[in-house]
Amino acid sequence: AQSVTQPDIHITVSEGASLELRCNYSYGATPYLFWYVQSPGQGLQLLLKYFSGDTLVQGIKGFEAEFKRSQSSFNLRKPSVHWSDAAEYFCADGSSGTYKYIFGTGTRLKVLA
Amino acid sequence: EAGVTQFPSHSVIEKGQTVTLRCDPISGHDNLYWYRRVMGKEIKFLLHFVKESKQDESGMPNNRFLAERTGGTYSTLKVQPAELEDSGVYFCASSRLLAGVPRPDTQYFGPGTRLTVL
Repeated sequence: AQSVTQPDIHITVSEGASLELRCNYSYGATPYLFWYVQSPGQGLQLLLKYFSGDTLVQGIKGFEAEFKRSQSSFNLRKPSVHWSDAAEYFCADGSSGTYKYIFGTGTRLKVLA
Repeated sequence: EAGVTQFPSHSVIEKGQTVTLRCDPISGHDNLYWYRRVMGKEIKFLLHFVKESKQDESGMPNNRFLAERTGGTYSTLKVQPAELEDSGVYFCASSRLLAGVPRPDTQYFGPGTRLTVL
């Protein structure tokens, strides 16, 4: 069955440090991959998406993600984390051939001052 | 442009009661989706409307859940009677209907309704 794995449930980084959140997807067809962020009290906000083309995609808030087919990964990165980045991050796969997204379990990011 | 809105933001009910959640999609979005996140688990698909028609309801847990989208605008999700395991956050999302495009458009999510069943 199609699945998305986010291996890290919690990550803590210091403000200014770099960040990488991992995501692995299982579906073999053309990937439609997304990263969403949910800040406390807020809804899910789209950070970035990958449909095709350049495997390094840029998103909002200084985030980027790299699609690696050989590793079935779509990891999210940010070179310097800000305290306001503390939130929960979700990777999603929309490749099922239907319209539904398959989500990972989320990674909760804590930022130390 | 207004985003997806959901009402209420929180609902606390007793087991056996009925609750109705509402979702207003982005104007012009014919696709509407419901998802649910049970505490600590992944966000799971419940169902998908295209306009007023149910396209896919494979994720609906059981027949205590009823979703409607009369007129193809807002949608309601009713839980009757509610059980303890129905507690969670219910998200609504919407997207455009892209004719002739072999991929789904980006889904835009609402803030969610946190349902607590006691």
